[in-house]
Amino acid sequence: DTGVSQDPRHKITKRGQNVTFRCDPISEHNRLYWYRQTLGQGPEFLTYFQNEAQLEKSRLLSDRFSAERPKGSFSTLEIQRTEQGDSAMYLCASSLGRDRALPNEKLFFGSGTQLSVL
Amino acid sequence: AQKVTQAQTEISVVEKEDVTLDCVYETRDTTYYLFWYKQPPSGELVFLIRRNSFDEQNEISGRYSWNFQKSTSSFNFTITASQVVDSAVYFCALSEAKGNQFYFGTGTSLTVIP
Repeated sequence: DTGVSQDPRHKITKRGQNVTFRCDPISEHNRLYWYRQTLGQGPEFLTYFQNEAQLEKSRLLSDRFSAERPKGSFSTLEIQRTEQGDSAMYLCASSLGRDRALPNEKLFFGSGTQLSVL
Repeated sequence: AQKVTQAQTEISVVEKEDVTLDCVYETRDTTYYLFWYKQPPSGELVFLIRRNSFDEQNEISGRYSWNFQKSTSSFNFTITASQVVDSAVYFCALSEAKGNQFYFGTGTSLTVIP
């Protein structure tokens, strides 16, 4: 079990640039989440996939944000035209959910990607 | 409105002391799930416990124990005989049966002083 992997660990970018993060969940997990965490706060939900289907998106996810999980395995989160307010830790989590109606057992988190927008 | 409230921002205790971390939640669902996660300095959130709304039995796991009280909408976490390795930020979270989001509190930063 290699755990949830996120790449890169750190990203520094200039305002207005596009950035893309990658998440590799635990291989047998079919649910994948993206969260954002700012200093002194808890993780805030961004979006959620069941296999390749994106089932929920938070209001926090503006039009500049897009997430994909094309083959139901790894996922990417892209932020276009980054703003300084996008600076945060972006966390990916996965879980094993056999039934769409059932709540999650628990989330396994990656180490996150720390984004700094200058 | 905040669904999960952790009123204690920072706590410091001396090693071997007991410490309780408070968590108050808010939901209209009758079926929901409560969680505690630990975030050490390395940054990765580590699952500690999951409790469903129909099971109010307190749980003990080693030095950790959890007190779930529906009457007060609280799910408090106690560490007995604290150790330096317990130093971390602890998050309480709520997941409602109708959705798939996890709502996290703002966390309590625990420092155990040797």
